[in-house]
Amino acid sequence: GDSVTQMEGPVTLSEEAFLTINCTYTATGYPSLFWYVQYPGEGLQLLLKATKADDKGSNKGFEATYRKETTSFHLEKGSVQVSDSAVYFCALGPGNNNDMRFGAGTRLTVKP
Amino acid sequence: SQTIHQWPATLVQPVGSPLSLECTVEGTSNPNLYWYRQAAGRGLQLLFYSVGIGQISSEVPQNLSASRPQDRQFILSSKKLLLSDSGFYLCAWTISSGNTIYFGEGSWLTVV
Repeated sequence: GDSVTQMEGPVTLSEEAFLTINCTYTATGYPSLFWYVQYPGEGLQLLLKATKADDKGSNKGFEATYRKETTSFHLEKGSVQVSDSAVYFCALGPGNNNDMRFGAGTRLTVKP
Repeated sequence: SQTIHQWPATLVQPVGSPLSLECTVEGTSNPNLYWYRQAAGRGLQLLFYSVGIGQISSEVPQNLSASRPQDRQFILSSKKLLLSDSGFYLCAWTISSGNTIYFGEGSWLTVV
């Protein structure tokens, strides 16, 4: 079945460092790919998405490119801030019931 | 615009007590509705989904149940809580033909 594997954390970076969180997927067909962010004590928020191969999703300085040849959707940001500290989830969908398959999540801590 | 709310935000319940978490969606009709659970330090697990009133599908057999008494209302229940039911519960919705899932604020459940 469809699945998502993302880089295990936790990841700790200094402010202004470059961020990469790896995500690879296995899917039949042509799913859409997503990154969600969960700030401490809150629900998940959609960060960005890409609906077809070679699409680049971007938001708040974060970017991810849908790479069909490597089945990847890595999240990147050129300069992280303390406020980016959160858990990041890679996901693919829609599934048979319009649900999504989520990765295990990667906790990012940015230190000043 | 569409909004989703779930409550209560936090709950501490003794083992063997009942549970009721409620979720409502506003601003849309006939959404697909979902309950996810996020155990401490782990990813998201789909518990239940519903494509219409009275239609509930369970992904994981357990002592939890779900009901959808109205089009935009989704309830997660248990008759007797277990310690292992502790976690962060997330309600979510999507439109039937869409591919982005939107989450509620989440409910923290601690079973003691």
